[in-house]
Amino acid sequence: QVQLVESGGGVVQPGRSLRLSCAASGFTFSSYGMHWVRQAPGKGLEWVAVIWFDGSSKYCADSVKGRFTISRDNSKNTLYLQMNSLRAEDTAVYYCARELRNWHGVFFDYWGQGTLVTVSS
Amino acid sequence: EIVLTQSPGTLSLSPGERATLSCRASQSVSNNYLGWYQQKPGQAPRLLIYGASSRATGIPDRFSGSGSGTDFTLTISRLEPEDFAVYYCQQYGSSPEWTFGQGTKVEIK
Repeated sequence: QVQLVESGGGVVQPGRSLRLSCAASGFTFSSYGMHWVRQAPGKGLEWVAVIWFDGSSKYCADSVKGRFTISRDNSKNTLYLQMNSLRAEDTAVYYCARELRNWHGVFFDYWGQGTLVTVSS
Repeated sequence: EIVLTQSPGTLSLSPGERATLSCRASQSVSNNYLGWYQQKPGQAPRLLIYGASSRATGIPDRFSGSGSGTDFTLTISRLEPEDFAVYYCQQYGSSPEWTFGQGTKVEIK
């Protein structure tokens, strides 16, 4: 069955960096676009970044552009999110999600359990 | 960027009742690229509906989606105890961009 397991969250000071990982299994990872979606405590969902199945294209939300970088290693079935210059407003649970892409649009059909990032001094 | 506004913020209903949730977009959603998710406390979201009206794999038929353009609806025909949760709508734009509504909480009356 499809499994997505995030890791790398924790408490970090403002201005510092953190790298999140998402280990995928149960499907052909190299065939799917992958995303990061975050959720601040008690708040709604916010899309963060996407990477194409082969890594050829990447896009980020304006709120993280220039600070966060999404990447993947298809040989390791792993997705990454490098987060630099962290701010208090980046505090959230970060989910990795597999995309469902068809003529109906692009949605998120499998999600990991999430990893909490807390930015605080 | 398209802004999605969900209403009501909270819906208080009893098991067996019908739930109607609304999602309104600030501009027309391309090709009705609109989905709905369910999220329970401490859990990741679960995809219910995509393309405005197609049920995702394994989703019971008491969940249905409808609408087009700027107005979309998620209907739960008869609420089961496990349906009390927060529901989010989400749209896909070709920039690309993905945006979510702020959520509707369905609580037990």
